[in-house]
Amino acid sequence: EPEVTQTPSHQVTQMGQEVILRCVPISNHLYFYWYRQILGQKVEFLVSFYNNEISEKSEIFDDQFSVERPDGSNFTLKIRSTKLEDSAMYFCASSNPRGSYEQYFGPGTRLTVT
Amino acid sequence: GENVEQHPSTLSVQEGDSAVIKCTYSDSASNYFPWYKQELGKRPQLIIDIRSNVGEKKDQRIAVTLNKTAKHFSLHITETQPEDSAVYFCAASTQAGKSTFGDGTTLTVKP
Repeated sequence: EPEVTQTPSHQVTQMGQEVILRCVPISNHLYFYWYRQILGQKVEFLVSFYNNEISEKSEIFDDQFSVERPDGSNFTLKIRSTKLEDSAMYFCASSNPRGSYEQYFGPGTRLTVT
Repeated sequence: GENVEQHPSTLSVQEGDSAVIKCTYSDSASNYFPWYKQELGKRPQLIIDIRSNVGEKKDQRIAVTLNKTAKHFSLHITETQPEDSAVYFCAASTQAGKSTFGDGTTLTVKP
């Protein structure tokens, strides 16, 4: 069964550094998402992306964040200047709304900002 | 924006009993309501979902009900087993895929 994959599984970075989290969505999916989950808390929506542009974004997704689909397979989340409070698990998801809204989550990237 | 409230925050049941988790939402534009099970350190896994044009859906021991007028939906797990122990999240999603999650319910099933 096809799965969403994410790399790296764990990223440690220093405050102020830029990080890029990578995702490979399921190949025939058209919608892509990023979520974050601070340890012990709920899953929070960051952004949805369709047809090479952002469809919706949350208040969390400020100017420090950006998303890109640089080629036909990857979907990336960039955090320009990381803060301590960016430490969280970041999940990528994809869906193909033709027939289903179901979002398939990747295994996540644990980001630790020191 | 959307606000999703989920109750209870923790639920402990005896193996074989039923478990019920309830959520309310605020945005009428939400039209898709998934439930996720998340084990420690793992990704959220969809266990059942319901769209706004349906009142009830069942899949073996799991069922979901939706009251669109009252803006609430519930997860029912019957004949609970220890492996059902996990954190369960409800979510309300719009057409564009923006999903607002509840705070989660930690379900413990005691053998």
